[in-house]
Amino acid sequence: GESVGLHLPTLSVQEGDNSIINCAYSNSASDYFIWYKQESGKGPQFIIDIRSNMDKRQGQRVTVLLNKTVKHLSLQIAATQPGDSAVYFCAGNFGNEKLTFGTGTRLTIIP
Amino acid sequence: GAVVSQHPSWVICKSGTSVKIECRSLDFQATTMFWYRQFPKQSLMLMATSNEGSKATYEQGVEKDKFLINHASLTLSTLTVTSAHPEDSSFYICSARGLAEVIYNSPLHFGNGTRLTVT
Repeated sequence: GESVGLHLPTLSVQEGDNSIINCAYSNSASDYFIWYKQESGKGPQFIIDIRSNMDKRQGQRVTVLLNKTVKHLSLQIAATQPGDSAVYFCAGNFGNEKLTFGTGTRLTIIP
Repeated sequence: GAVVSQHPSWVICKSGTSVKIECRSLDFQATTMFWYRQFPKQSLMLMATSNEGSKATYEQGVEKDKFLINHASLTLSTLTVTSAHPEDSSFYICSARGLAEVIYNSPLHFGNGTRLTVT
């Protein structure tokens, strides 16, 4: 079925270090994935997306890796800052207009 | 660009009353808007898909008579929680996809959510 899930519910990283947030999916029908950041009391904020015909995409301090063989997606955040503390969700479209969200990982940056 | 505004940001209402939440696309036209619900420390769960000028499509388990959705224009969708009960207390978030993004491989733009508390 359609599902997107995360390996770890919480992650703590020292400020300045790199962080990696993982996501696994079970349905290979998705051709589009997105990472969102959600701060407390706010709506999700778009970070980066990737299409299934790519295996890597880079943005400013963020990199998304897609491994379709093992149905795994990751978000790498370089040189983490206190403002990176938030809940991060992966989402996929699974061939339709709707987005299915993963369970989320709470990232805490330790000063 | 691509700003989605929700109003109100929070609301407290008494059990049995109805509450309307507005979702507006401020700088783009949205043919499709999505309504999500999020309980504390949980993920976003899609409630319904709203298309301008037509009836909303509800996800399995979501009562359409309880959660009334109206998408009367390309910039406004409303969600009305009718006869609200304490178990309806949640964070309601809308999102929109613009006319220029009718392909599915494009991000949704989210509002900042509405915190509903039913007493």
